[in-house]
Amino acid sequence: ETGVTQSPTHLIKTRGQQVTLRCSSQSGHNTVSWYQQALGQGPQFIFQYYREEENGRGNFPPRFSGLQFPNYSSELNVNALELDDSALYLCASSLGGGAIEQFFGPGTRLTVL
Amino acid sequence: AQSVTQPDIHITVSEGASLELRCNYSYGATPYLFWYVQSPGQGLQLLLKYFSGDTLVQGIKGFEAEFKRSQSSFNLRKPSVHWSDAAEYFCAVGGGSYIPTFGRGTSLIVHP
Repeated sequence: ETGVTQSPTHLIKTRGQQVTLRCSSQSGHNTVSWYQQALGQGPQFIFQYYREEENGRGNFPPRFSGLQFPNYSSELNVNALELDDSALYLCASSLGGGAIEQFFGPGTRLTVL
Repeated sequence: AQSVTQPDIHITVSEGASLELRCNYSYGATPYLFWYVQSPGQGLQLLLKYFSGDTLVQGIKGFEAEFKRSQSSFNLRKPSVHWSDAAEYFCAVGGGSYIPTFGRGTSLIVHP
């Protein structure tokens, strides 16, 4: 059984650029949630995708967008990057549109200069 | 709105000593409560969760937590800490959608 994987591990962008982060869910899981974890903080929920549809969204602006593919992998896109977007971005997969039993990936560390 | 407070930013214990990490939550109904652990360079791992029933919940790695409704608390305990337990610990509360709201975390330092 393959766990949750994320790519890339690290990346550095400049303010105003766009970035795409990728997540492969655990085998058999049809739900992916994305979280932003700033330094010294707990994860904050960005949004969730269930069966290729957005299934809930946290308090993040529209420049944060996502996709889920038929194989349940997912992308997080962030446009017009700001310095405050520097964080660890975590992806978690689960089953059935909830987040009761989530399995987290190792995260992508994004630095915005 | 749901929220979680972890009042201790850092906790230092000696190896073999007991551990209690504090968590207080705010939620209007019966909450779903979680404890996660995050080691450096890794994602979060679920230690245990409470949904209903017995208020003392057993988890992995020898951890347990007790739900106390009257105190709005869900403290994590371990009777004897190992050096490998050094990590960041997050308490989280969820509602009907089960999407958890996380606390800011407590960093556990273990002295040999």
